[in-house]
Amino acid sequence: GQNIDQPTEMTATEGAIVQINCTYQTSGFNGLFWYQQHAGEAPTFLSYNVLDGLEEKGRFSSFLSRSKGYSYLLLKELQMKDSASYLCAVRDSNYQLIWGAGTKLIIKP
Amino acid sequence: TAGITQAPTSQILAAGRSMTLRCTQDMRHNAMYWYRQDLGLGLRLIHYSNTAGTTGKGEVPDGYSVSRANTDDFPLTLASAVPSQTSVYFCASSDRGGQGDAEAFFGQGTRLTVV
Repeated sequence: GQNIDQPTEMTATEGAIVQINCTYQTSGFNGLFWYQQHAGEAPTFLSYNVLDGLEEKGRFSSFLSRSKGYSYLLLKELQMKDSASYLCAVRDSNYQLIWGAGTKLIIKP
Repeated sequence: TAGITQAPTSQILAAGRSMTLRCTQDMRHNAMYWYRQDLGLGLRLIHYSNTAGTTGKGEVPDGYSVSRANTDDFPLTLASAVPSQTSVYFCASSDRGGQGDAEAFFGQGTRLTVV
């Protein structure tokens, strides 16, 4: 079966750095996405990786290793507004998105 | 800019009743999707449509039906609701059939409670 694993919850301090990991086992791979979802709201797109390596976008970076079935989302200079759930999703061989359950990130002052 | 709009935003429905969740997008995206989101689980695909006139079954299609008469609209129908269909439902769309780096854009969600 297809599986995406992420930690359920993480806690970090305002101003610090946090890394959210995602491991996947899917039938085929056509890209990996990270989304942010604030409580009670819709998911919004953060990043896309299809080749190995690091993609940097402001305070957020995303890394992919296809051989290891592994990705991480790195958030720098954490702000209180970064408190949200972070969803990892992989596009499989049928071009459908397979979603992880999400990581709830709690930012403390 | 409207983007993708769902209606209603929330609903309490008696078991056994039918209901249609509406979804409309104005981005001219060809691919549209219906997901349900339950606590502790990832988004699960119910049905999808890669282009107007075609639909397909996702991971959890039982008890749901969809239609795609045109590019903009993708309604989801529950023929006879059951309590296990209590969930938050998200409609989404993406460009280029959801290929490449085409991200999915989500509606604001419909919170459905079946009692």
